[in-house]
Amino acid sequence: NAGVMQNPRHLVRRRGQEARLRCSPMKGHSHVYWYRQLPEEGLKFMVYLQKENIIDESGMPKERFSAEFPKEGPSILRIQQVVRGDSAAYFCASSQLEEFYTEAFFGQGTRLTVV
Amino acid sequence: DAKTTQPTSMDCAEGRAANLPCNHSTISGNEYVYWYRQIHSQGPQYIIHGLKNNETNEMASLIITEDRKSSTLILPHATLRDTAVYYCIVRVRGDSWGKLQFGAGTQVVVTP
Repeated sequence: NAGVMQNPRHLVRRRGQEARLRCSPMKGHSHVYWYRQLPEEGLKFMVYLQKENIIDESGMPKERFSAEFPKEGPSILRIQQVVRGDSAAYFCASSQLEEFYTEAFFGQGTRLTVV
Repeated sequence: DAKTTQPTSMDCAEGRAANLPCNHSTISGNEYVYWYRQIHSQGPQYIIHGLKNNETNEMASLIITEDRKSSTLILPHATLRDTAVYYCIVRVRGDSWGKLQFGAGTQVVVTP
């Protein structure tokens, strides 16, 4: 059973370009969470999605950032018109159910560098 | 604001037990203690969790004080691969996994 898969592992974008980060949850998992880790900082929650629904986006910046989790395919975190401050590691986690006793599993992350 | 406090860093000799403390003095009755670790350049990895009883699994042991205001994660025989940042997190039962609050954690360095 493959773990949470994120791609690309590394992404370089010029200022003003768009960045698309993909996350395939573990098999059977229908809950996806995106976290961001700025250099030398801890992980910060961004958004929680279930299939075709955004459940909690309280951690998402109000502009330029969006996320989706379509019925088919991976979850996508999209950053439009990237700026240097968007450079960070973006982690995706998935869980089976929103039940207490299941833990969330994290992917290896996508490291975005804006030049 | 993180609900836990941990030492910034600690060193441990390979083969010895590593004891990682965590203070969570404001923990409420329905909050569990979780431990994750993050090896450099990797995603966080679940280690163990508990409510009030001590817990043990193949990775570690978790000792929670009777008043639940603090806990200790024990890595019984530290290896070089255990070098990582260890996060102690409290989580309300039934809360979304998106509510995890990762603080700064403890940087553990295991030395030969």
